[in-house]
Amino acid sequence: QVQLVESGGGVVQPGRSLRLSCAASGFKFNTYAMHWVRQAPGKGLEWVALISYDGSTKYYADPVKGRFTISRDNSKKTLFLQIDRLRPEDTAVYYCAREERTSSWYYLDSWGQGTLVTVSS
Amino acid sequence: DIQMTQSPSSLSASVGDRVTITCRSSQSISNYLNWYRQKPGQAPDLLIYAASSLQSGVPSRFSGSGSGTDFVLTISSLQAEDYATYYCQQSLSAPITFGQGTRLDI
Repeated sequence: QVQLVESGGGVVQPGRSLRLSCAASGFKFNTYAMHWVRQAPGKGLEWVALISYDGSTKYYADPVKGRFTISRDNSKKTLFLQIDRLRPEDTAVYYCAREERTSSWYYLDSWGQGTLVTVSS
Repeated sequence: DIQMTQSPSSLSASVGDRVTITCRSSQSISNYLNWYRQKPGQAPDLLIYAASSLQSGVPSRFSGSGSGTDFVLTISSLQAEDYATYYCQQSLSAPITFGQGTRLDI
């Protein structure tokens, strides 16, 4: 079955960097676009970034543009999120999610369990 | 960016009740609307896509309707496992945007 497992979270000081990983299994990873979505403590869901199936196209939410970089290694079935110049407002659980498409509609049909990033001095 | 607004922000209901949650978009999104349920401490899971299509494996007590700017998620007979927070999400255009969530309590 589809499985997404995030890792790399932790407590980090403001201004430092962190790289999150999402290991995929149970499906043909190199045929799916992938997303990162985050959720600050007690808050709602916030979309962060998207990468196409082959890594050629990337989109970012405005609050993270220039600091976050999404990438993927299809040979290792792994998605990444590089977070630079961390800010306290980046504190959140970060989820990776698979994008499924049906004709012109797309939706996030599988999610990982999330990895917590805490930005604090 | 397309803004998504859900109402109510929270509601209380009993097992067996019929529940409706509304989602409104700031501009027409046709039927590019998805619904998710997030149980406490868990990741979200997909319930409905394309406004009214039931995701595989999701119980038939869940249904979605609407088009344009106004959408509704209906739970026909509330079960204990449905106590959660529900989010709508538009997929018409980037950036993807979610509603603020509707918390469903006992």
